[in-house]
Order: sequence, then structure tokens, then C-alpha cells
Amino acid sequence: QKEVEQDPGPLSVPEGAIVSLNCTYSNSAFQYFMWYRQYSRKGPELLMYTYSSGNKEDGRFTAQVDKSSKYISLFIRDSQPSDSATYLCAMSQNTNAGKSTFGDGTTLTVKP
Amino acid sequence: GAGVSQSPSNKVTEKGKDVELRCDPISGHTALYWYRQSLGQGLEFLIYFQGNSAPDKSGLPSDRFSAERTGGSVSTLTIQRTQQEDSAVYLCASSFRRTNEKLFFGSGTQLSVL
Repeated sequence: QKEVEQDPGPLSVPEGAIVSLNCTYSNSAFQYFMWYRQYSRKGPELLMYTYSSGNKEDGRFTAQVDKSSKYISLFIRDSQPSDSATYLCAMSQNTNAGKSTFGDGTTLTVKP
Repeated sequence: GAGVSQSPSNKVTEKGKDVELRCDPISGHTALYWYRQSLGQGLEFLIYFQGNSAPDKSGLPSDRFSAERTGGSVSTLTIQRTQQEDSAVYLCASSFRRTNEKLFFGSGTQLSVL
């Protein structure tokens, strides 16, 4: 079993929908949680970075971490066609984000 | 430069040949990482350089894989005697310092081993 499991998708939603992307993990030592967006043929781009449990909001994006359930989510409000991409969750035990464990990604398509 | 630059963007090679992949990080970034991303998979950590410290090679899958970073800047990932299972996108990322959570990724090298 993988340390990080991500809802596989693919996910297709109409423009304006609320999108929920989810990951579960098994390693209770993870303390830092990240969401990356990856467009086709591009490298990942950091969207959200959170430490420990709680919520963090940035514009249309909200990241939630529930350490007791070992579950993290990324919500996208008012989704746009430009949000169409693969979303990767990642988590690490320390501040060295470069050695994070990544999920396999969920591909999202937002249809106009 | 403006961002992390990787070359070539695509590489097709024959099984058994050696390949070199190049990464030019953002100027001033002391941390540099290499990853492998197979189709439909997340990123697999390969190797990490931090300043002049010895590299963290804990993610290299076999001794056919090696990497260098010259002068604390450009890095080269070398795969010897390539195998078909080495086919993947190889991504490089850099950051200003080890504890900086913001990684900047290049667009990757798509390696195809025939």
C-alpha cells in the first residue's frame, strides 16, 4: 500500500462548479501538506502549503488538513476552464518540501 | 534565468545507450532536486543537492543512475545502459534554501527508451 493515496479521477465538471480533490495518507509523521497544479507537458506549480491540521484559503482555493483522519482536501470554488490540469498532493515530515511523498495526481477537466 | 531550464525537452534513445539530462536552476538557488514521473504517477524523488554538501542519493533506483552538480549551479543526471522501464519524464526543481517550501520546477525531459 502506498503512503499517499489520491482519488484517481479523472474528474470532469462544468464551469462554475465546486471541485473537491482528496488524498489520504498512512504516515502519521507527515506535518507539511502541499497541493501542486501541473499543466500538460509542464512541471508542477505549488498552489497551497499548509502545516498541521486546519484550513487555508487563497482566492478560489481552500486546503483542508485533518490529521486525525489522515485526510487532506483541496476545494476549488467557481471552477474555470483554466483550472483544467492534474492536481498532485504531497506531504513531508519536515520543512524540506523537496523530499515530499507525492500522490499520483487527479486530472481535472472544467468544461465551459 | 527566468526559471528552471531543462534540456533536452525530449530524448529518444535505444536500450543500452547512456543518456545525459541537463538542469539549469534559477540563479542563486542553492537546493536542486531531480524527480522521475512515470505516466499517470506522482513524482518519485531521485537525488538532492544542497550547496556544497554531499548529495542525498537515497532515491536513486539503481547504480545506473548518477548526477552531478558543477559549481553549485548546473546539474546533469546520467542514466547508463538505459532500460525500457527508464522511460519517464525527468523533472528538476530548485529552491532558494532547503527549508524553503517553494519549489520551482522545470518543464522536464521526456525520455523514451526503445
